[in-house]
Amino acid sequence: SAVISQKPSRDICQRGTSLTIQCQVDSQVTMMFWYRQQPGQSLTLIATANQGSEATYESGFVIDKFPISRPNLTFSTLTVSNMSPEDSSIYLCSVIGAGNTEAFFGQGTRLTVV
Amino acid sequence: GNSVTQMEGPVTLSEEAFLTINCTYTATGYPSLFWYVQYPGEGLQLLLKATKADDKGSNKGFEATYRKETTSFHLEKGSVQVSDSAVYFCALSDSVGAQKLVFGQGTRLTINP
Repeated sequence: SAVISQKPSRDICQRGTSLTIQCQVDSQVTMMFWYRQQPGQSLTLIATANQGSEATYESGFVIDKFPISRPNLTFSTLTVSNMSPEDSSIYLCSVIGAGNTEAFFGQGTRLTVV
Repeated sequence: GNSVTQMEGPVTLSEEAFLTINCTYTATGYPSLFWYVQYPGEGLQLLLKATKADDKGSNKGFEATYRKETTSFHLEKGSVQVSDSAVYFCALSDSVGAQKLVFGQGTRLTINP
């Protein structure tokens, strides 16, 4: 299994500002992902965080709004830029465990934009 | 594109009742199917999975069978407990593994003693 630590666990931010969320894994993993869970809705994949190269974004998500870094095989950050109230969501980091059969999730970062 | 449709909640049952949470999917090819559970105050955890047609995933008394003919992966448990109260998510991956999951909307289950 993989243990994922996400920081911060929650934050309240002013509109127009940016927040960087950190994801630390206790072991090296090949694949890391970032998901968003809007209030009352399901999880939606934002992007795949690629080690040593630019992230791969899903339709509807762009790098300028959600820049992602992945400097090594155990760490990634997601920045939510120029926030608006519509960005209020839970953001989750996910990794694929050894054997590629199970996805593990962090506890999530609950973001409220006011 | 791929999609997952789950039974709408919330669902409230009494302890020892039989549980079914419906899940149907739309996908090209042969997806892998998953049920994830989120207990109050905790992160998402894998409950069970199935990677090919007719496979049955099972864990903690829960079962789900991968039905390709009906494109379904319904979650069942014969006798629920208060501790099963949680939000349940059906999900699929369009690869053999667990990459890039597509989730259903989640079903909140409450079990009363």
